[in-house]
Amino acid sequence: TQLLEQSPQFLSIQEGENLTVYCNSSSVFSSLQWYRQEPGEGPVLLVTVVTGGEVKKLKRLTFQFGDARKDSSLHITAAQTGDTGLYLCAGEVMSSWGKLQFGAGTQVVVTP
Amino acid sequence: GAVVSQHPSRVICKSGTSVKIECRSLDFQATTMFWYRQFPKQSLMLMATSNEGSKATYEQGVEKDKFLINHASLTLSTLTVTSAHPEDSSFYICSANPYTFGSGTRLTVV
Repeated sequence: TQLLEQSPQFLSIQEGENLTVYCNSSSVFSSLQWYRQEPGEGPVLLVTVVTGGEVKKLKRLTFQFGDARKDSSLHITAAQTGDTGLYLCAGEVMSSWGKLQFGAGTQVVVTP
Repeated sequence: GAVVSQHPSRVICKSGTSVKIECRSLDFQATTMFWYRQFPKQSLMLMATSNEGSKATYEQGVEKDKFLINHASLTLSTLTVTSAHPEDSSFYICSANPYTFGSGTRLTVV
């Protein structure tokens, strides 16, 4: 089993501050995805990273895949109240296309 | 973009009955779909891989006779929870493409 440890579990910050969420594993993944999930809804894909060392930016969100493809981070700059939500990382199991191993999630709360 | 539709969004059933959940790919064909389960305050756990025209592949610990999967067409996979019990109450989510998820089905067994 390829376990993905996500930290922190909960993060509360004020609007305008920055935050970083981490996703770590001892195993290598063929790709890694970051999702955002609202209560009662399925996860919505934010980004997929594939290459070790890859950095992708989505407006104020920056995603990084570790060189060894075992870890990843999500950094939000100048957080807004609309960034509040549950963020999930998921690693695609090697040699098993489409099978995802999810982290436990980080609940982010951004207050005005 | 790719859209995955799941139905119903919520269902309540009595213990011992069976419930069918549908997962459809709306604008693309999906030879493979995935079924996940999410308990409250927990993350998604893969239950099984649904393959069009062949048997599903179940993850370790998932009872194939209890969670019947049928993938009879390139746009539809169904998950039937048979003889449901309260411990089967959960949020069931499908995916295809493979990173696009449906909106989930909240199953409550009473």
